[in-house]
Amino acid sequence: DQQVKQNSPSLSVQEGRISILNCDYTNSMFDYFLWYKKYPAEGPTFLISISSIKDKNEDGRFTVFLNKSAKHLSLHIVPSQPGDSAVYFCAASAAFSGGYNKLIFGAGTRLAVHP
Amino acid sequence: GAVVSQHPSWVICKSGTSVKIECRSLDFQATTMFWYRQFPKQSLMLMATSNEGSKATYEQGVEKDKFLINHASLTLSTLTVTSAHPEDSSFYICSGGGNYGYTFGSGTRLTVV
Repeated sequence: DQQVKQNSPSLSVQEGRISILNCDYTNSMFDYFLWYKKYPAEGPTFLISISSIKDKNEDGRFTVFLNKSAKHLSLHIVPSQPGDSAVYFCAASAAFSGGYNKLIFGAGTRLAVHP
Repeated sequence: GAVVSQHPSWVICKSGTSVKIECRSLDFQATTMFWYRQFPKQSLMLMATSNEGSKATYEQGVEKDKFLINHASLTLSTLTVTSAHPEDSSFYICSGGGNYGYTFGSGTRLTVV
């Protein structure tokens, strides 16, 4: 049962254009969402997060949008750069007070930014 | 920022032997440590969650007697793969939960021959 889904296994974008990576979730208890960037044989690197009380969070070239009613979030990267080429994972958590709850990851989307 | 140091980065072992993977939180206290496994071109699958000083909670389908987790201090957690078999070959990643959120180690590539 995949609670977090990234339906696009790959995405190719031209340098300078916008990259949009999508993520859907099924568990309505999720209230904290994160995006990670990962290279092969390395650990994930945190990019940006959003809690369910917001519908948008921005950090430099990265913006995450959350649509709770659709159980959908997206990561926008603009402008895209060749160094952004990596696998991007969406992750979700149901936070609870007093500690850290587990993250559930999507399958990942491989982004290729070409000149 | 927060750093989780994971060792070794890669290891090759013979079938039937045990392998220990260490994760240390260098500049924060990881009250919770998560252990993940990633097969090639797949997602990170959570194996277990451990809180300092208590027994780990394993996800469904993960054998607790095979994957021994110890979280004896707020800065050190270990995963021991016992009696390793070729199907245990995978990329193992730890993640510490602390004041800086979730911080991931750099991963360990385990190859069992």
